[in-house]
Amino acid sequence: DTEVTQTPKHLVMGMTNKKSLKCEQHMGHRAMYWYKQKAKKPPELMFVYSYEKLSINESVPSRFSPECPNSSLLNLHLHALQPEDSALYLCASSRQVVGGQTNTEAFFGQGTRLTVV
Amino acid sequence: QQQVKQSPQSLIVQKGGISIINCAYENTAFDYFPWYQQFPGKGPALLIAIRPDVSEKKEGRFTISFNKSAKQFSLHIMDSQPGDSATYFCAARAYSGAGSYQLTFGKGTKLSVIP
Repeated sequence: DTEVTQTPKHLVMGMTNKKSLKCEQHMGHRAMYWYKQKAKKPPELMFVYSYEKLSINESVPSRFSPECPNSSLLNLHLHALQPEDSALYLCASSRQVVGGQTNTEAFFGQGTRLTVV
Repeated sequence: QQQVKQSPQSLIVQKGGISIINCAYENTAFDYFPWYQQFPGKGPALLIAIRPDVSEKKEGRFTISFNKSAKQFSLHIMDSQPGDSATYFCAARAYSGAGSYQLTFGKGTKLSVIP
């Protein structure tokens, strides 16, 4: 099973709303990621969680708030977003890196298509 | 600063032909090079990956060629099919500490395979 499940698939929210994106994996991966992808662009890293702790925040505005409740779940809380935040939000997970191992490919979910109106 | 340069931006190939996508990098800290395939509205799916100590890896119709000294790698799709029409991203991995790593993506190549 190499599945990363994201919900919802589509989300439309107003600029004053609060919403959350959810991500779940059952591969035993201890590294989880949030990416943002605009149309015709590559994914851009937002956050990295390793062993349920935030290890990287790529200077993401505070209106995006990540949370990792346990090793299988990753949430992204959204508040007071702007129309330019409309994008495909991707969750990914990978096996934790130990030494020089290379079988730590990242597996992506199908994404949440977010539209901010 | 773009750390992984990918070309071409778009590619049109006839069914049965060979599709070739090239990538180049500068950062010697990269230690693993995956390729992702993405269909419209879907997340990227891992296609094939290679370590820098291997010069070639083949999986079915997909082959990665890797030139460590030139810091270049490429994806070859043999016998291209219309179902291969998608956007392809090369990526390079670097360890980011605390048991995780970061992927740096190329800008992507939109492949269209015409019947």
